[in-house]
Amino acid sequence: QKEVEQNSGPLSVPEGAIASLNCTYSDRVSQSFFWYRQYSGKSPELIMSIYSNGDKEDGRFTAQLNKASQYVSLLIRDSQPSDSATYLCAGGATDSWGKFQFGAGTQVVVTP
Amino acid sequence: GAVVSQHPSWVICKSGTSVKIECRSLDFQATTMFWYRQFPKQSLMLMATSNEGSKATYEQGVEKDKFLINHASLTLSTLTVTSAHPEDSSFYICSARSGRSEKLFFGSGTQLSVL
Repeated sequence: QKEVEQNSGPLSVPEGAIASLNCTYSDRVSQSFFWYRQYSGKSPELIMSIYSNGDKEDGRFTAQLNKASQYVSLLIRDSQPSDSATYLCAGGATDSWGKFQFGAGTQVVVTP
Repeated sequence: GAVVSQHPSWVICKSGTSVKIECRSLDFQATTMFWYRQFPKQSLMLMATSNEGSKATYEQGVEKDKFLINHASLTLSTLTVTSAHPEDSSFYICSARSGRSEKLFFGSGTQLSVL
C-alpha cells in the first residue's frame, strides 16, 4: 500500500458546483495533513493544513480529517475555472519529522 | 507565508554537462530543505533531505554522487546534477520548513531539459 493514495481523476466539475477530493493514508503517515494545489508547470502551493479530526474551513475550501478511517478530504465550494489544477494530498512521515509523503494528485477540471 | 526562491526556472544543457540549481529561503532560516523531482503527470518524488552544515540524506534509489547537494548556510541549498543525461530531464523542486512549523514552502521549480 502506498503511504498516501488519491484518485488521479480527472474530476470534472461544473462551474459553481462543489468539488470533492479524497485521500487515504497508511500507518506510516502521521496525523498532520496538507492539501497543495499545483498548476501545470508550476510548483505546489499550500492551500490547507489540518491536524485534528473534523472539519476546517478557509474561504471556499473545507478540509476534513477522519483519523479512525484514515482519510482526509478537500471540498471546494463554488468551483471556478481558476480552480482547475492538480491537488496534492500530503502527510507527514512518521519516521522523519518534516518529511512529507505525497499522493499522486487529483486533476480537477472546472467547466464553464 | 514564507518565501522560497529557486533558480534557474528552466535550463537546457548538453548531455554530459553539469547543472546547478539554487534554492534560497528569503525571509526565514531553513535548517532543513528538501529536493524533489517530478516527471510529467506524476507526483513529487523526494530525492533527498538537505540539512544545514551536514551531509544530505538521500532516498533509496537516488545516486548521491550524481545529485550533489550542498547546504552551506541557513538560507541556501544547491543541487548539482552531474554528467546529466536525457533521462535526468525533469522538473526539480526544492522546499523548506520555517522554524518548528511542519508546513512546507516550495520554490518555483526548475525545468531541466538535457539534450
